[in-house]
Amino acid sequence: QVQLRESGPGLVKPSETLSLTCAVSGGSITDYYWSWIRQSPGKGLQWIGYIYHTGHTNYNPSLKSRVTMSLDTSRSQVSLTLISVTAADTAVYYCANVGGVSDSWGQGTLVRVSS
Amino acid sequence: QSVLTQPPSASGAPGQSVTISCSGHNSNIKSNYVYWYQQLPGTAPKLLIYSDYERPSGVPDRFSASKSGTSASLAISGLRSDDEADYYCATWDDNLSGSWVFGGGTRLTVL
Repeated sequence: QVQLRESGPGLVKPSETLSLTCAVSGGSITDYYWSWIRQSPGKGLQWIGYIYHTGHTNYNPSLKSRVTMSLDTSRSQVSLTLISVTAADTAVYYCANVGGVSDSWGQGTLVRVSS
Repeated sequence: QSVLTQPPSASGAPGQSVTISCSGHNSNIKSNYVYWYQQLPGTAPKLLIYSDYERPSGVPDRFSASKSGTSASLAISGLRSDDEADYYCATWDDNLSGSWVFGGGTRLTVL
């Protein structure tokens, strides 16, 4: 089973850009669709979108205008960029491979949006 | 508001059984496989059920699931204190450009 590890700044200022990276190990980055999922404090899970190694992406319609995902096969990394953040974007952000028996999640990284 | 509807809470005494429901639509539950996750406090969700009723290796058979039409359910028998967690259903939604959707989650309390 693949291992995933998210990394990035824990604090982002309002109106700025949130950027996170997910390192994939123990498996090939070309084998799966890679999703980003977030969870606001005390709230449920929200799927942000996915990317495939072909470059195909699919984003949550509610976030689509602000989200970009990319993938670096040479470094086995998946990236998330979310622009124009507000306090509502404060959440634990997970990198995950969902929708199959090989389901796997990173440990998550907390990002706070605050000035 | 979540696309899939779950009761916010459920409870049961140790040894008892509990069922958590997940209600959706033709575009999601009826048309696609349902997945169930368990999330312990401070941890990432863990897959309990995939493809409507299949258990990954290592998940006890105390956990079972079913689906009928636009609804699905997760049953937990022989409740233990360490079953106390949040449970989420999830699936793909064909109406939302193929989005992955979650239920709002059900907090299970073992009395």
